[in-house]
Parts: sequence; structure tokens; C-alpha cells
Amino acid sequence: DSGVTQTPKHLITATGQRVTLRCSPRSGDLSVYWYQQSLDQGLQFLIQYYNGEERAKGNILERFSAQQFPDLHSELNLSSLELGDSALYFCASSVGTDSSYNEQFFGPGTRLTVL
Amino acid sequence: GDSVTQMEGPVTLSEEAFLTINCTYTATGYPSLFWYVQYPGEGLQLLLKATKADDKGSNKGFEATYRKETTSFHLEKGSVQVSDSAVYFCALSLFSGGYNKLIFGAGTRLAVHP
Repeated sequence: DSGVTQTPKHLITATGQRVTLRCSPRSGDLSVYWYQQSLDQGLQFLIQYYNGEERAKGNILERFSAQQFPDLHSELNLSSLELGDSALYFCASSVGTDSSYNEQFFGPGTRLTVL
Repeated sequence: GDSVTQMEGPVTLSEEAFLTINCTYTATGYPSLFWYVQYPGEGLQLLLKATKADDKGSNKGFEATYRKETTSFHLEKGSVQVSDSAVYFCALSLFSGGYNKLIFGAGTRLAVHP
């Protein structure tokens, strides 16, 4: 158990809908990262937050957004869903963001299926 | 750009066989290197890491040595078990542009048979 929690575990929805994925980082971790894992794209970095502020953006679509709240939990919002958005979405956390050897600890993931 | 290349899977071995999964990287700076493992239906778990050249990371019988001269971080285990069946990801971490970015390889699936 990494200490990172994600809800829900599974999500099934229809095209055009909007969903929210939730992540709680490990106690004491200030950084939260979101990743998408799909069969054709592999593991792709989406976005990072540090202590409530957006720190970095990766391959995140404009239909997707995220935020980190004062209690440090984070939410990833996916809207106007398409079939191709079906994937595993992982959240990870780390203590900080100022070094290349800050380990990232991953949650169990949310499996999103868009029908 | 920065990237990680892993050998393609699946890798199929018998129990107690020797395992090598190759990983090479391209990076503009001085990365830290990681191996993550993903068991069926689970998230990624950090298996081992190395933060500078010639460091050896080890855990649960797995080892990998950071080779700067060959830009490699190959994963090895002397005797695999059925319970090692999983997908293994090599990754590099760079502090760049004010943040810590983690770049993954495509993953290598390992299947170990009794």
C-alpha cells in the first residue's frame, strides 16, 4: 500500500459526459501528479500540482482539467468524453518537486470506460 | 528529447531462470533512474532506484546498475518466481524547468511459468 488513495476504482460512462476522479496523496506529500495509461500510448504524464498550484503540464487535453485543494487532495475533471479517453488514470504523490530523486508513489488507479 | 527505451515483451521464463530486461535512456541532464512494477490489476510500485552513475539499486532479489557510459539501467534477477509475473517499467526522472518530470518506457511484460 503506497498511501495514495484514488476513487472511484472503476467508472463507466457514456460519450459526451463529464467525470471527476479523486486522489488523496500520502500524508506529508505536497506534490500530486496525474498520469494516463492506455494500451496505445503507454504511461503519459498529464499534469502536476504542488501545494495547490499547477506546476507542470504534459500531454493533457483541453477537455481535461485538474486542481489541488487546500487539504492537498486533487481532482481530475474529464469532460466531453470520447471513446479514446478510456484508460487507467493514475495519481502519484511525492514530498516535493525540487529534485530528480523525489520518488513518486502511485495510487491504485481509476479505470475509466467510455461507452 | 528525453526518453526511455525498453526491450519489447512479453518475456516468458521458467521458474528459477535468470532474468534480464534491457533499458536504455536519453536525457539532456543527469537523471535519476527507476524501475517500477505493475502487478495485474494494481498500480505501479517502485521496485528500485539509482540516483547517480555506478549506483546499484536492489530490492527483492532484483538489481540494476546505473551505467552512464552506456546510458543503460538493465534489470536483472538471478532466479525468478511465478509471483514475479508482472509488467516492469523503466523510468527516468529529471529536474527540469522547475519541476520533477518522470518519463516511462513502454513497459515489459514478464510471464513466469512453474
